[in-house]
Amino acid sequence: GQNIDQPTEMTATEGAIVQINCTYQTSGFNGLFWYQQHAGEAPTFLSYNVLDGLEEKGRFSSFLSRSKGYSYLLLKELQMKDSASYLCAVSPGGLNSGYALNFGKGTSLLVTP
Amino acid sequence: EAGVAQSPRYKIIEKRQSVAFWCNPISGHATLYWYQQILGQGPKLLIQFQNNGVVDDSQLPKDRFSAERLKGVDSTLKIQPAKLEDSAVYLCASSFPPRGKSYNEQFFGPGTRLTVL
Repeated sequence: GQNIDQPTEMTATEGAIVQINCTYQTSGFNGLFWYQQHAGEAPTFLSYNVLDGLEEKGRFSSFLSRSKGYSYLLLKELQMKDSASYLCAVSPGGLNSGYALNFGKGTSLLVTP
Repeated sequence: EAGVAQSPRYKIIEKRQSVAFWCNPISGHATLYWYQQILGQGPKLLIQFQNNGVVDDSQLPKDRFSAERLKGVDSTLKIQPAKLEDSAVYLCASSFPPRGKSYNEQFFGPGTRLTVL
C-alpha cells in the first residue's frame, strides 16, 4: 500500500524561503513528483526525483532521500502567486503500472505580504 | 499544443441521478487517467487506460462508476446512480511514454466539479 504524509497548511512571507516536507511509505518506488495546484485549477508539474539528492529548477528545488522515505520542496524568494496547494505524489511502479501516481493530501501554502 | 480538454466544467445533480464526464487528452498521448479529488484532499486514481485498454481500475467503484475509451482517444466517465459522497472534482490527465526524459509527466485537464445534492 501507499502512505504519503505532508503538512496540511503553511504560511510564509513574501520574499522568504519555505520548505514543504513529504514522507512516504510505498510498496514500490519509481520516483517522486511535486505538483502545484492553484485553487480551482488543474495540478501542474513542478519537479521529479528518482535518485537521492537535490534537483534545482529556478526558484524551486526538490530533495529526495529514498532510504528515509523523505522529500522536500524548497521555494525561494516567495511571491504572492506561489499561494497554492503543493501535492507530493509517488509513482509506485514502472511500465506495467502505467506510471500512475499516488498523491498526498496536499499542503496549502499561503504567502502573505 | 492544446491541453487536456474536459467538459462540462461544472455539474449539479441530485442523488440517484446519472452523470457523464468527457475528456479529450493531448494529441498522441496513449495513456489516460481519471482521478477523483475530494475537497481538501489529493487526487485519487479511479482508472487508467493505455490506448483503449484498461491498465488499472482497482479503485473504481464498479457498482456505480464506469469508464470507456473506445477508440483510444477521448474518454467518458459515468456515475449511475450518484451518491452525496461523489461530490468532488473529476480530473482527467494524459501522458506519453517518456522520450528523452527519465520520468512520465502527467498533464491534467481543468476538471469537472460535481455537486450531488
